[in-house]
Amino acid sequence: AQSVAQPEDQVNVAEGNPLTVKCTYSVSGNPYLFWYVQYPNRGLQFLLKYITGDNLVKGSYGFEAEFNKSQTSFHLKKPSALVSDSALYFCAVMGPRDFNKFYFGSGTKLNVKP
Amino acid sequence: AAGVIQSPRHLIKEKRETATLKCYPIPRHDTVYWYQQGPGQDPQFLISFYEKMQSDKGSIPDRFSAQQFSDYHSELNMSSLELGDSALYFCASSLQTPGNTIYFGEGSWLTVV
Repeated sequence: AQSVAQPEDQVNVAEGNPLTVKCTYSVSGNPYLFWYVQYPNRGLQFLLKYITGDNLVKGSYGFEAEFNKSQTSFHLKKPSALVSDSALYFCAVMGPRDFNKFYFGSGTKLNVKP
Repeated sequence: AAGVIQSPRHLIKEKRETATLKCYPIPRHDTVYWYQQGPGQDPQFLISFYEKMQSDKGSIPDRFSAQQFSDYHSELNMSSLELGDSALYFCASSLQTPGNTIYFGEGSWLTVV
């Protein structure tokens, strides 16, 4: 069975500082990993995904994520946080033979303070 | 670019009533998903359709049903509504290719009173 874990309910960062939102996964086989962002009362917006290839994936709004197979992690990063990055971030996994559904993590609330 | 369209965006129903949510996927997407997100919770997979046939089923209550029509739009029917059904319901669509991005609509807020 596929699953993802986001160990932090909340991450607090000062504007201009680097940010990391953590995600670990459990999948049989090679996973497809995704990050989505959700602003209050809005839908989920796709940020980036890892399918294969380079372990460092670049996505929207300056975000990037690093796939680490040995640590089964897919942490979301940004070199310099903006106040407007404050939102709820979800990691999601799709199994290699189970692409009819996503498994979401519990979400991490990112607070970027001026 | 066209996105996933959901309607209505908000609805209020009383207990034991019925509600229907509609979803119009991105053109040419062949797979539709429904998710339920309770307050402060992560989205929970309900059901998915591929080419108008149910392809997978998650934690969808027996009181709920869904279908995908010939024009690929989908409807989620919820009957005998309970207070606990109050949630944000998302529809999403994609092409059924491994690793393809799933795109979400803005959601339909259901409040059961």
